[in-house]
Amino acid sequence: EAQVTQNPRYLITVTGKKLTVTCSQNMNHEYMSWYRQDPGLGLRQIYYSMNVEVTDKGDVPEGYKVSRKEKRNFPLILESPSPNQTSLYFCASSRLAPDTQYFGPGTRLTVL
Amino acid sequence: GEDVEQSLFLSVREGDSSVINCTYTDSSSTYLYWYKQEPGAGLQLLTYIFSNMDMKQDQRLTVLLNKKDKHLSLRIADTQTGDSAIYFCAESRGSGGGADGLTFGKGTHLIIQP
Repeated sequence: EAQVTQNPRYLITVTGKKLTVTCSQNMNHEYMSWYRQDPGLGLRQIYYSMNVEVTDKGDVPEGYKVSRKEKRNFPLILESPSPNQTSLYFCASSRLAPDTQYFGPGTRLTVL
Repeated sequence: GEDVEQSLFLSVREGDSSVINCTYTDSSSTYLYWYKQEPGAGLQLLTYIFSNMDMKQDQRLTVLLNKKDKHLSLRIADTQTGDSAIYFCAESRGSGGGADGLTFGKGTHLIIQP
């Protein structure tokens, strides 16, 4: 089954404690993205990657890091989380085609 | 910069048609999308339209694109309770068909009245 998986699905942490949210896709897609969703703001792109070792900033990259060492994985790293990073995070993957956008189930992060 | 605007709420009676509107600013967008998000779930791609098309129909869904006014709409015929969700309008960034990311609107909550 074609899918994008994210782990963990829920996470409560404290300010400053480094964390990683994993994202994996099994469709051999070149493109992957991270978004955050906040009430009243919709989804905003954090980072995206066009292929292995190729990443670029989206609209709200501050406070986040990503890496793309393998095609299937695109982890999101928060080196020093802060409460304003409390949000719902979505990973997505696609080929270079309009109908192949797949979103993961989301990770709800709370930073205390 | 890129911006996508849509109204936050729409209330319709079951069985009526729903029309969700969206305006966008990036005239270079190759594709425009409609996504559906049910409570507690991820995003589901409903449909998309290429920027050189005016209309696309897919079963109960009709997408209309007015490129001159940068206006996109999604019509859902015979709205059912299962259509209750948040609907996001999105435009592709650059010419990559959306693969290098999308710019989303804030979402329209579709509320179905019995």
